[in-house]
Amino acid sequence: QVQLQESGPGLVKPSETLSLTCTVSGGSISSYYWSWIRQPPGKGLEWIGYIYYSGSTNYNPSLKSRVTISVDTSKNQFSLKLSSVTAADTAVYYCASLPYYDILTGYYYWGQGTLVTVSS
Amino acid sequence: QSVLTQPPSASGTPGQRVTISCSGSSSNIGSNYVYWYQQLPGTAPKLLIYRNNQRPSGVPDRFSGSKSGTSASLAISGLRSEDEADYYCAAWDDSLSPRYVFGGGTKLTVL
Repeated sequence: QVQLQESGPGLVKPSETLSLTCTVSGGSISSYYWSWIRQPPGKGLEWIGYIYYSGSTNYNPSLKSRVTISVDTSKNQFSLKLSSVTAADTAVYYCASLPYYDILTGYYYWGQGTLVTVSS
Repeated sequence: QSVLTQPPSASGTPGQRVTISCSGSSSNIGSNYVYWYQQLPGTAPKLLIYRNNQRPSGVPDRFSGSKSGTSASLAISGLRSEDEADYYCAAWDDSLSPRYVFGGGTKLTVL
């Protein structure tokens, strides 16, 4: 049973960089693609991207120029950095996982989500 | 706007069967599997259907998925009050680099 927990600042100033970390427990860091998905208040879901423990990444083209996802295997954590944020980046940010052995099984494991507000 | 198109709302009475549609294109639903997620208020999404019509362990067989061409549907039979939630379809999209795309979500109300 994989458990995911997001952490990071709940308030970020416009033009600054949003930084979040997801801590993984109950599962091997090498067995999944580790993803970030966000949801603006009252709106739908948006996929941000994923990373494999080897460091290979895949980002949403609409966010690619501002997104970096990284992994720290020694801490069983992966992270999201989103630069030059605006109010449009205000959202609940979820971390989630896709099984490496079968990416087509979908996002079964999710974190509880963390609200990040962009405001001065 | 979302890459996949869903009706914003749906409703039904307890015991009824309701369906939620999801429309896409050849680069997503037309060539890849469809997924459905249920999101109860204030909680993270839950995987309901994967690979068009497969249910993860623990998901009741009242929930079923289907796909035809560039469209898909989620059917819920024997509707219950606890089914009141937001439902999202999703698929991989190959139009640029592979990306995971969602529908805009459908708010299901149990009357």
